[in-house]
Amino acid sequence: GNSVTQMEGPVTLSEEAFLTINCTYTATGYPSLFWYVQYPGEGLQLLLKATKADDKGSNKGFEATYRKETTSFHLEKGSVQVSDSAVYFCALQGGSARQLTFGSGTQLTVLP
Amino acid sequence: DTGVSQDPRHKITKRGQNVTFRCDPISEHNRLYWYRQTLGQGPEFLTYFQNEAQLEKSRLLSDRFSAERPKGSFSTLEIQRTEQGDSAMYLCASSLNVGTGNNYGYTFGSGTRLTVV
Repeated sequence: GNSVTQMEGPVTLSEEAFLTINCTYTATGYPSLFWYVQYPGEGLQLLLKATKADDKGSNKGFEATYRKETTSFHLEKGSVQVSDSAVYFCALQGGSARQLTFGSGTQLTVLP
Repeated sequence: DTGVSQDPRHKITKRGQNVTFRCDPISEHNRLYWYRQTLGQGPEFLTYFQNEAQLEKSRLLSDRFSAERPKGSFSTLEIQRTEQGDSAMYLCASSLNVGTGNNYGYTFGSGTRLTVV
């Protein structure tokens, strides 16, 4: 079945540091890949997505590239801000499944 | 449109009681999903509806759980005879899907946090 393995947290960075959160997946066929962000007390928000190999999703300075050869979709940002502090979830939608399969989430704290 | 609304935001109940949660999706969305999220974990799929039809149920959805979506609009999730293990955040999401294409456009609600004491 489908599964997502995400870098364990928590991750604490200083403002303007470089961020990488690793995500690898197992799926049949050619899944679509997503990063969601969850701020305290709020629902999940779609951050970015990629639907086929070598696609790069980007939004708000965050980027992730769909790497089929390594089954990965790592999230990166060149310079984090305090306002980026949140929980980040990697997810996939694969094959005939209509639902999303999520990783366990990575808590990011950015210090001023 | 105010997005996906869930009610209540928080619910505390005693073990053995029944609880019901409501989700109001984005009005033009034809698909509605329920997920459960426990502390420190990602959301886990429970069930989904296309219009009023419940098309898939996870093995996580025991016979104490039932979901409905009458008239293809709002949905309710009922848990009977609650157990402490049911304590979690229950998330609802909706999307608009045409044909058999992949679902790219989930919108999540803020969730209902259930605590069973």
